[in-house]
Amino acid sequence: GQNIDQPTEMTATEGAIVQINCTYQTSGFNGLFWYQQHAGEAPTFLSYNVLDGLEEKGRFSSFLSRSKGYSYLLLKELQMKDSASYLCAVREWGKLQFGAGTQVVVTP
Amino acid sequence: EAGVAQSPRYKIIEKRQSVAFWCNPISGHATLYWYQQILGQGPKLLIQFQNNGVVDDSQLPKDRFSAERLKGVDSTLKIQPAKLEDSAVYLCASSLGSNLDPLHFGNGTRLTVT
Repeated sequence: GQNIDQPTEMTATEGAIVQINCTYQTSGFNGLFWYQQHAGEAPTFLSYNVLDGLEEKGRFSSFLSRSKGYSYLLLKELQMKDSASYLCAVREWGKLQFGAGTQVVVTP
Repeated sequence: EAGVAQSPRYKIIEKRQSVAFWCNPISGHATLYWYQQILGQGPKLLIQFQNNGVVDDSQLPKDRFSAERLKGVDSTLKIQPAKLEDSAVYLCASSLGSNLDPLHFGNGTRLTVT
């Protein structure tokens, strides 16, 4: 089994940067995914890390340290449409398990 | 490409009734997943299929939940009898099948049990 921990909620101002941390414990790590989920909608894929280091995709970047069981999602130049829940998910022995999600609130 | 299709979009039933959800994955996706998402929580994996075989159903409450994927394409998830705590969004997802492939989710079925 695994524990996936991420903060419940974060608030940031439009145009700012927010970093969402995720820690996990697993015995059979196959990769870490980040998903975005707007209220009432399905999760959509943002990024994937399998090796240590930083993956950059436009305004979103994701970092992984396997030895520390740690990842973060960095959202730059925040826009109002970025207000959503961000889900950290760990693939362990082929199964993808999700954390509870971090609700990001972007204010004007 | 067409996305993952799910129906119905919403369902309201009384406790002890039965209900079924349907999912059609993205064409060519070998792996199909059913997740349960309770309000305010992350999705919880119920069952995972690889083609028409079950890969994992360790978190499926088998006394009341059942799922099948007979021809390795469409899938149905059934609850019989439903309990109040089954109120949730039931998400179907599919992927090509390797650990590197992301899951693509359908819009889900919102179930309310009264």
